[in-house]
Amino acid sequence: EDQVTQSPEALRLQEGESSSLNCSYTVSGLRGLFWYRQDPGKGPEFLFTLYSAGEEKEKERLKATLTKKESFLHITAPKPEDSATYLCAVQSLYSGSRLTFGEGTQLTVNP
Amino acid sequence: KAGVTQTPRYLIKTRGQQVTLSCSPISGHRSVSWYQQTPGQGLQFLFEYFSETQRNKGNFPGRFSGRQFSNSRSEMNVSTLELGDSALYLCASSGGQGGGSSYNEQFFGPGTRLTVL
Repeated sequence: EDQVTQSPEALRLQEGESSSLNCSYTVSGLRGLFWYRQDPGKGPEFLFTLYSAGEEKEKERLKATLTKKESFLHITAPKPEDSATYLCAVQSLYSGSRLTFGEGTQLTVNP
Repeated sequence: KAGVTQTPRYLIKTRGQQVTLSCSPISGHRSVSWYQQTPGQGLQFLFEYFSETQRNKGNFPGRFSGRQFSNSRSEMNVSTLELGDSALYLCASSGGQGGGSSYNEQFFGPGTRLTVL
């Protein structure tokens, strides 16, 4: 059974204070690892897909990396508007489009 | 390009009733997946439809069902509603014509907030 564990559950940062979110996973054949951002009461917003160990992707202050067992979402010099819940999900080679999600990391960036 | 749309956005029902939710995927996307999100369980996969066929199903009771139409629009139905069905129901579309790595990228709609009283 595919599993995703995210840590920490919650993270409070000061504006400009860089940090990383962790996503550990087990999957029977990884097709892709996905990162989403979710604001309260809204649907998840797609950020990145990573497909193979060693791959990295960047978008503004966010950088996602992937190893064979985990992924990191690095947030550089965050701003208050980066406050949201960040979700990690894996997609198996054997289950179509199905995504298995972690519980998320709730990030708060204080000005 | 318009995103995924879901209707209605909010719904209040009573126990025992049934409900139908609708999802219109991004133009050109052929796969629609449905998820249930609750504070206790997080995001849980319900089922996926591709070219009008159910391709994958999660661990939910038979009260939860869905279908997909020839234009890729999808509906999900929940019969005999229970209090525990209160949740945010999300649909996601993928499988655009471009192919390549972007084929698997799933884009979510805003969700339907279902409250069962």
